[in-house]
Amino acid sequence: GQQVMQIPQYQHVQEGEDFTTYCNSSTTLSNIQWYKQRPGGHPVFLIQLVKSGEVKKQKRLTFQFGEAKKNSSLHITATQTTDVGTYFCAGPGSASDMRFGAGTRLTVKP
Amino acid sequence: KAGVTQTPRYLIKTRGQQVTLSCSPISGHRSVSWYQQTPGQGLQFLFEYFSETQRNKGNFPGRFSGRQFSNSRSEMNVSTLELGDSALYLCASSLVSGGLAASYEQYFGPGTRLTVT
Repeated sequence: GQQVMQIPQYQHVQEGEDFTTYCNSSTTLSNIQWYKQRPGGHPVFLIQLVKSGEVKKQKRLTFQFGEAKKNSSLHITATQTTDVGTYFCAGPGSASDMRFGAGTRLTVKP
Repeated sequence: KAGVTQTPRYLIKTRGQQVTLSCSPISGHRSVSWYQQTPGQGLQFLFEYFSETQRNKGNFPGRFSGRQFSNSRSEMNVSTLELGDSALYLCASSLVSGGLAASYEQYFGPGTRLTVT
């Protein structure tokens, strides 16, 4: 069945460094969503990408959707301690369910 | 507008028991999805309800069931609990107007932490 793979599993950075997480699907996605889950919290919606090649920015966060709509990335410029958490990508599964990637856990050293 | 609420927040049960978890979606949201989150398996889709009908079901055994009421509130039930059912159970609602829930942003509740001993 359709799978959403996400790498890396963990990323530890020094505050001020950049961070990128990648998401790959085995099938074409109609859309891809990104969520952030703080430690001890619940996933919070960040953004949805729909168009091929789409790029969206939210302050220091840049989201991209691949031309083939099978991959996506989230890039954070100049990380801050408030960026700590696990970032998930998610896309529609074959049964119209939501398939989440395993997540990338980001830790930031001040 | 109030967010998604889940009750109880924490629960400890023993093997073989059953449990019912409750979720109240954001007002106006008719779609409610349930997920199981564990360190090993990540976020796994359980099922989605829309207007009291189960539209999708994930790959979980029949011990996991759910329902949705006319006011969109939802419950999920797990019977004959196993140790492996220990997890954070998350409910998410979305403003679906009849389309696929997976195409809409989902608003998650704080979750119910279930521990099975």
